[in-house]
Amino acid sequence: DAGVIQSPRHEVTEMGQEVTLRCKPISGHDYLFWYRQTMMRGLELLIYFNNNVPIDDSGMPEDRFSAKMPNASFSTLKIQPSEPRDSAVYFCASNLRGGNSPLHFGNGTRLTVT
Amino acid sequence: QKEVEQNSGPLSVPEGAIASLNCTYSDRGSQSFFWYRQYSGKSPELIMSIYSNGDKEDGRFTAQLNKASQYVSLLIRDSQPSDSATYLCAVNFNQAGTALIFGKGTTLSVSS
Repeated sequence: DAGVIQSPRHEVTEMGQEVTLRCKPISGHDYLFWYRQTMMRGLELLIYFNNNVPIDDSGMPEDRFSAKMPNASFSTLKIQPSEPRDSAVYFCASNLRGGNSPLHFGNGTRLTVT
Repeated sequence: QKEVEQNSGPLSVPEGAIASLNCTYSDRGSQSFFWYRQYSGKSPELIMSIYSNGDKEDGRFTAQLNKASQYVSLLIRDSQPSDSATYLCAVNFNQAGTALIFGKGTTLSVSS
């Protein structure tokens, strides 16, 4: 049974460029979450979806960040334009029934913006 | 404000000892609590979940929850070097339908 799949695993880009991170949740899961992890701030919730609908995007740091979930098996997180302070590991996670259920994490995307 | 607090550590224990990891949270109405382990460069993986006051045991791991004190802990008995990792406490602050909020984690180092 495939887990949460994220791509790419590593992304190195220059400041000002657009970055798109991708996620395929576990089949049948109705919740999808995007988290960002840094040493300073830990694991921060950016946005989450229920049945493809964004529920809470209050964690999105600013308008440069956007996320979509066009169908149950695919989500993207886009940063445009990227800045060095966006460098972090971005995790996608999914689960069934939301907060009372454990999260299943993808392997993460390590983003470096130079 | 939804907050989950953990001591960052590092917590150092010798092999075979009991490691005690602690977590406090800001909302008395929180319902679900989880402990995740994260090895360096890897994604978090679930160790334990706990929903009711008291203790829950799973092998060498015991989770303890005290909702009145807004406190959850993880005990690791017979600690092994392979337990060396960062342990993340996660809390669901509302009913099902909302996301987990994570603490910054406690780094555990088990020396052989």
